[in-house]
Amino acid sequence: GAVVSQHPSWVICKSGTSVKIECRSLDFQATTMFWYRQFPKQSLMLMATSNEGSKATYEQGVEKDKFLINHASLTLSTLTVTSAHPEDSSFYICSAPDRDTEAFFGQGTRLTVV
Amino acid sequence: AQSVTQPDIHITVSEGASLELRCNYSYGATPYLFWYVQSPGQGLQLLLKYFSGDTLVQGIKGFEAEFKRSQSSFNLRKPSVHWSDAAEYFCAVGAYQAGTALIFGKGTTLSVSS
Repeated sequence: GAVVSQHPSWVICKSGTSVKIECRSLDFQATTMFWYRQFPKQSLMLMATSNEGSKATYEQGVEKDKFLINHASLTLSTLTVTSAHPEDSSFYICSAPDRDTEAFFGQGTRLTVV
Repeated sequence: AQSVTQPDIHITVSEGASLELRCNYSYGATPYLFWYVQSPGQGLQLLLKYFSGDTLVQGIKGFEAEFKRSQSSFNLRKPSVHWSDAAEYFCAVGAYQAGTALIFGKGTTLSVSS
């Protein structure tokens, strides 16, 4: 099946700094990618839809200026958590559609802000 | 409203026993259904998916799921559970349309006892 690679797997950063998370589709092109956030013992909550060559679409309640998404190519989307604070600590997961359906996920990134 | 319900938050099954995880959905369009498994701190692995055709779908690791349109259900089954199956299981529904994110259930935690 298709492979989606997410990097880094975990990151610890100081409060006030920014962190970039990469999501790559390794063997297929993805014009659309999705970013989710998952709190402990919770389900995945869609944060935003990343569109290649255009602006991302954010879900209600997600701060656009805090969670910057860039989809610069057909195989790479990045999520930058700007001015991170402890409440941003979470598990972030990206996914990319296989052909027309969303089916494959990255390994996730555990972000801890101290 | 579009939603996915996994009624069982936590299930414990003896090793070697059969397993059924329940999933009910509410979706306005023709649903495309997925089951994912997540180990602690890991991303999501696709177990199986249903788009159309035979309502009994075979997946990886010996799992299968049956789509029942009349009951709006897509239950996951396995005849004999192994200790390595202990994980979090998520049911998800989406549309067969590029740019449409999945809607996830809250997940079911499976514990396997010896």
